[in-house]
Amino acid sequence: KAGVTQTPRYLIKTRGQQVTLSCSPISGHRSVSWYQQTPGQGLQFLFEYFSETQRNKGNFPGRFSGRQFSNSRSEMNVSTLELGDSALYLCASSPYGRGTEAFFGQGTRLTVV
Amino acid sequence: KQEVTQIPAALSVPEGENLVLNCSFTDSAIYNLQWFRQDPGKGLTSLLLIQSSQREQTSGRLNASLDKSSGRSTLYIAASQPGDSATYLCAVRNYGQNFVFGPGTRLSVLP
Repeated sequence: KAGVTQTPRYLIKTRGQQVTLSCSPISGHRSVSWYQQTPGQGLQFLFEYFSETQRNKGNFPGRFSGRQFSNSRSEMNVSTLELGDSALYLCASSPYGRGTEAFFGQGTRLTVV
Repeated sequence: KQEVTQIPAALSVPEGENLVLNCSFTDSAIYNLQWFRQDPGKGLTSLLLIQSSQREQTSGRLNASLDKSSGRSTLYIAASQPGDSATYLCAVRNYGQNFVFGPGTRLSVLP
């Protein structure tokens, strides 16, 4: 059974640009969550999608957005990139969301220069 | 607001030792708690999930316990091996919420 797949693995972007990250959950999983990991703040929750609906959102500015497609694949978008957006972005999938075990992908390392 | 702490921040032990990692949380009304390991530059690997109604879970050399009333969970690793070297993260979910992560314990097992 394939795990959670995140693409791309690495990205370098310039300040002011926008970026789109992709996450393909484990087959049959309907919940996808996104987290940002930085050395200073640790792991912080961005948002959760379940059956194409955003179910929960963390405390991040509106520049961070996401969506989920009918096949449960999810994308997150960051517009007007800032240096502080440099981080490891992790995606987690689970069958039904919060009551079930979460499985994480390898992450996308975003560097903003 | 849920806050999660982990002690110690770092731990170095010789191979073969049994060890305990600690996780504390401030809001005891949790839904579940999950332990993960993270290798440098990589994603998170799920180790154990404990539901709020459970006291412990075991998988191989790993045993995790949960004491909701005191806001604590421990991860016990038996007969540690160099391959266990990683950062161990505790993540707590309250009802209707997503994970709040602790800062992690960085473990080094020396051969």
